[in-house]
Amino acid sequence: RKEVEQDPGPFNVPEGATVAFNCTYSNSASQSFFWYRQDCRKEPKLLMSVYSSGNEDGRFTAQLNRASQYISLLIRDSKLSDSATYLCVVTDSGGGADGLTFGKGTHLIIQP
Amino acid sequence: SQTIHQWPATLVQPVGSPLSLECTVEGTSNPNLYWYRQAAGRGLQLLFYSVGIGQISSEVPQNLSASRPQDRQFILSSKKLLLSDSGFYLCAWSRHGRLTGAYGYTFGSGTRLTVV
Repeated sequence: RKEVEQDPGPFNVPEGATVAFNCTYSNSASQSFFWYRQDCRKEPKLLMSVYSSGNEDGRFTAQLNRASQYISLLIRDSKLSDSATYLCVVTDSGGGADGLTFGKGTHLIIQP
Repeated sequence: SQTIHQWPATLVQPVGSPLSLECTVEGTSNPNLYWYRQAAGRGLQLLFYSVGIGQISSEVPQNLSASRPQDRQFILSSKKLLLSDSGFYLCAWSRHGRLTGAYGYTFGSGTRLTVV
């Protein structure tokens, strides 16, 4: 059974701080990995893909550890607008045609 | 550019009534299409996916059905709604082909369904 596990939080973090959270996945054959952001009562939106070598997009850094089957997201200099639920997402070995597997999300609250 | 439209945004339906949610994609051809449901406080659950016209795969047995009458149109239906069908329904599309998942999926704005 395909599973993606995340700490639901909430993570309460002061503005300007650095926050990191992880996600573990059970399918060792998963090929693609993503972080999505979901605002309250809105649809999920792709935040960034996660590459094997790790990748950075502005204040956001994503890491993949295939050996331990976990993915991480680091947010530096957090802003109030970063408050959201962050979903960890993986595809299966088939490349994702039959659906992405979503974690239940980590709720992040940035406090002024 | 590609866009995905989903309607209605909000729906309140009595138990036992029928359901029809529609999703259309513009700006691309032969997309893979998906219906997900997100129940309150829970993760996204894949309900159906389609890799082409008339091709529907079901992930979870339930009283819902899906159809793809046209290349860029995906419809979610039910003949008789249950209370447990309440949730946030999301349509999504991805590129067709071997690397269909490599770029993630793009979601519509969702339909919030309350069955009363």
